[in-house]
Amino acid sequence: SQQGEEDPQALSIQEGENATMNCSYKTSINNLQWYRQNSGRGLVHLILIRSNEREKHSGRLRVTLDTSKKSSSLLITASRAADTASYFCATGGFGNEKLTFGTGTRLTIIP
Amino acid sequence: GAVVSQHPSRVICKSGTSVKIECRSLDFQATTMFWYRQFPKKSLMLMATSNEGSKATYEQGVEKDKFLINHASLTLSTLTVTSAHPEDSSFYICSARRPAGIYEQYFGPGTRLTVT
Repeated sequence: SQQGEEDPQALSIQEGENATMNCSYKTSINNLQWYRQNSGRGLVHLILIRSNEREKHSGRLRVTLDTSKKSSSLLITASRAADTASYFCATGGFGNEKLTFGTGTRLTIIP
Repeated sequence: GAVVSQHPSRVICKSGTSVKIECRSLDFQATTMFWYRQFPKKSLMLMATSNEGSKATYEQGVEKDKFLINHASLTLSTLTVTSAHPEDSSFYICSARRPAGIYEQYFGPGTRLTVT
């Protein structure tokens, strides 16, 4: 079963705007990760945030985590056409814990 | 980052035949590899966990006799779809995890299987 659900399912914005995607999960977590998938390709790991962290930055990416609400958000600032992809949150992946993906958000950046 | 390759990238086969997909970790030894299946515009669903030198662990609902997994070396895992049917058409993605203590999984580029 899916651990995370993401919204929106699809998002189209103009190049240069910021894109925000949200992820909600059901059980307690040790960490939450965000991945990007270009169409018909594998996944690329973007960023990991641990359960004791509230915010993390990596370049144009900003991830927040609210464990009380069991939710996370991924913000991409100053979007570029190359950011067009599907974005997935995932929980687990440590030790014997399997990596469980959310439903994903399809982001389209309009040039 | 680490590199994981998959071969073939695309395969079309006839119903009833078997197809083998290879997953290789090119620059590290992976004691654990994972096989995922992804339907169009959907998320990844874990099919099985492949451990080098031992039997794979399959997720509930995944037929182990249909999806044969072999992890014969620290750099290679194979998924064989036996007696393929059109409903097996999907995007199959593998990932490899570095040895204990490192969390990150590195994903292959995926294999598009079409069964006619």
